[in-house]
Amino acid sequence: QVQLLQSGGGVVQPGRSLRLSCAASGFTFNTFGMHWVRQAPGKGLEWVAFISYHGSETYYPDSLKGRFTVSRDNSKNTLYLQVNSLRPDDTAVYYCAKKGVSLAAPAAFDIWGQGTEVTVSS
Amino acid sequence: DIQMTQSPSTLSASVGDRVTITCRASQNIASWLAWYQQKPGKAPKLLIYKASSLESGVPSRFSGSGSGTEFTLTISSLQPDDFATYFCQQYSTWWTFGLGTKVEIK
Repeated sequence: QVQLLQSGGGVVQPGRSLRLSCAASGFTFNTFGMHWVRQAPGKGLEWVAFISYHGSETYYPDSLKGRFTVSRDNSKNTLYLQVNSLRPDDTAVYYCAKKGVSLAAPAAFDIWGQGTEVTVSS
Repeated sequence: DIQMTQSPSTLSASVGDRVTITCRASQNIASWLAWYQQKPGKAPKLLIYKASSLESGVPSRFSGSGSGTEFTLTISSLQPDDFATYFCQQYSTWWTFGLGTKVEIK
């Protein structure tokens, strides 16, 4: 079945870096754009990054530009999120999510990973 | 940036009740709106896309309506499995979520 399986995360000291992974199965990964979304404890959902199906286009909210890098390896059906210079307010559950359609049209997020917890603390 | 305002933030209801949640966009987003359900410790689940299209496998008691800046999610007869938090999301320009509506047991 269609599935996104996440790995990475954990407790990280402020200023360090972290890479999250999201392994896709059950669909043609290289034809869908992918997203990262995070949720701070007790808070709402915040979109973090988007990468196009081919990986040549990436987008971030202005508030996160510079420290976050999304990438993908279509040969491994895997999505990544690199976060540098981690801060306590990066503490959140991070989700990967699949764009709902393979076309260029706007689409909701139809499949989500199980989430991975990142805690930034000394 | 497009802001999404959900109301109410919390809703107390009983099994069998009709429940309506409202989402307002700060500018016209046409029908590029989705609704998600999230239970504690779980990932969000897509319920409705393009304002009123029911995602495959989602019970028909869920429905969505609206366009432009005003949208609603309706649960026609609340079931025990529906007690959760619901988020709206615009995907017209970038992607932003509402703050959520927690549906709790009355």
